[in-house]
Amino acid sequence: SYELTQPPSLSVSPGQTASIPCSGDRLGDKYVSWYQQRPGQSPVLVLSEDNKRPSGIPERFSGSNSGNTATLTISGTQPMDEADYYCQAWDNSIVVFGGGTKVTVL
Amino acid sequence: EVQLVESGGGLVQPGGSLRLSCAASGFTCTNCWLSWVRQIPGKGLEWVASIDPDGSEKDYVASLKGRFIISRDNAKNSVYLQMNGLRAEDTAVYYCARDPHTPTSYFDSWGQGTLVTVSS
Repeated sequence: SYELTQPPSLSVSPGQTASIPCSGDRLGDKYVSWYQQRPGQSPVLVLSEDNKRPSGIPERFSGSNSGNTATLTISGTQPMDEADYYCQAWDNSIVVFGGGTKVTVL
Repeated sequence: EVQLVESGGGLVQPGGSLRLSCAASGFTCTNCWLSWVRQIPGKGLEWVASIDPDGSEKDYVASLKGRFIISRDNAKNSVYLQMNGLRAEDTAVYYCARDPHTPTSYFDSWGQGTLVTVSS
């Protein structure tokens, strides 16, 4: 079965750039979506189709996907960006999520 | 405003059954897929099942196929998850989510979740 791998945690200082990797076999051949989940809340879509921001998502969220790695980049990270982030792809009618990355802003 | 509201969660004994419901409002889901995603407390997201707009195609995570059944009623703008043979490891928050499914599967709206606890 297809798997997506993310680092469990990542720390970033306010105002700096956070880059969250998501790796999978030939992931660049698939579309990747990203979700933000704050404690006690439902997930929120922050990027679809590798790098498309839904309405209401700040421009500081961007994405890329090539080879075996997709990356969610948060530029000028703010304290409100502290959350868990999940990548997700679709492979052979099966939806797969990465294990999630806890981003701490300190 | 797009809203998805789940219901039907609760405490159930091992081996029991439960039916979750999700009512959509603020949009008519005639062209969208609807899905269930679960999250064990403190753990990550796990996709459970998805159903296409007319209910003819249903996809499941391999580990749950045969025990869980997804269905929908477009007249009620609702999706359901019938869960049978429940086990302790099925304890989780169950979210329903809308999937535009174009050009790929992803989830642009989520419900607030309903907690299912399997315990004796």
